[in-house]
Amino acid sequence: GEDVEQSLFLSVREGDSSVINCTYTDSSSTYLYWYKQEPGAGLQLLTYIFSNMDMKQDQRLTVLLNKKDKHLSLRIADTQTGDSAIYFCAESQGGSQGNLIFGKGTKLSVKP
Amino acid sequence: DAGVIQSPRHEVTEMGQEVTLRCKPISGHDYLFWYRQTMMRGLELLIYFNNNVPIDDSGMPEDRFSAKMPNASFSTLKIQPSEPRDSAVYFCASKYWGSNEKLFFGSGTQLSVL
Repeated sequence: GEDVEQSLFLSVREGDSSVINCTYTDSSSTYLYWYKQEPGAGLQLLTYIFSNMDMKQDQRLTVLLNKKDKHLSLRIADTQTGDSAIYFCAESQGGSQGNLIFGKGTKLSVKP
Repeated sequence: DAGVIQSPRHEVTEMGQEVTLRCKPISGHDYLFWYRQTMMRGLELLIYFNNNVPIDDSGMPEDRFSAKMPNASFSTLKIQPSEPRDSAVYFCASKYWGSNEKLFFGSGTQLSVL
C-alpha cells in the first residue's frame, strides 16, 4: 500500500539552509505536498509540486522531486526561528481525487 | 472566510463517557476529512465524506467511533464509550473538487480520556 517516510527530527542554526527529505510509494500521485504545522495549530499547505516537474521554487522554499527514486525534498534557505515547526510530506492517493497520505512529520528546530 | 472551525478546542473526559467532536467546513467545500494525530502513529485518516456521503471509513478504529455529516456545513465525530487510548488531537479538514488536493485544516480538538 501507499506509504510516506520522512526523518523525525532536524536541527539547524539560524541562517543556515534546512533540507527535509521524504520518500513515497505511489507512483500515480499527481501532486506531492509539503504541509507545515505550528504548535497548537492545524496543518497548513506550504507548497506543492506537480508530478511532471523536477523543481519548484517559491521565495525561500525549493522543492525537488526525483520521480524515478520517489524522493521529495524541501529546502528552506536562510532558516529563521519562525520556521521551527513540524513539516509533513504528503502524496495524493490513487490519482488526483484521492485522499492524501501523510508522513509522520519532521520536527524542525532552529537554534539562534 | 473563517476557515474550518472545530469545537471544542480541548475536551477532558472520563473513560466510558461519550465524546462528540464538531466540525464546520469551509463554505463551498464538498469534501470533509477527519484525521487523528498521535506521537506514535502520526496523522491517520479516520473517514472522509464527499457531498455529505461517507466514502471511506476504513480508518475508523472500531465500532465505538462513528461520524455523520447531516448537511454540507456540519459534521460530527462521536466516540462511545471513550477509552484512554483514544486520547489524541482530532483534526477536521475540507477541500473542494478540483483544488489539486489542497486541504484546509481546522485547529483541532485535543482529547484527553482519563
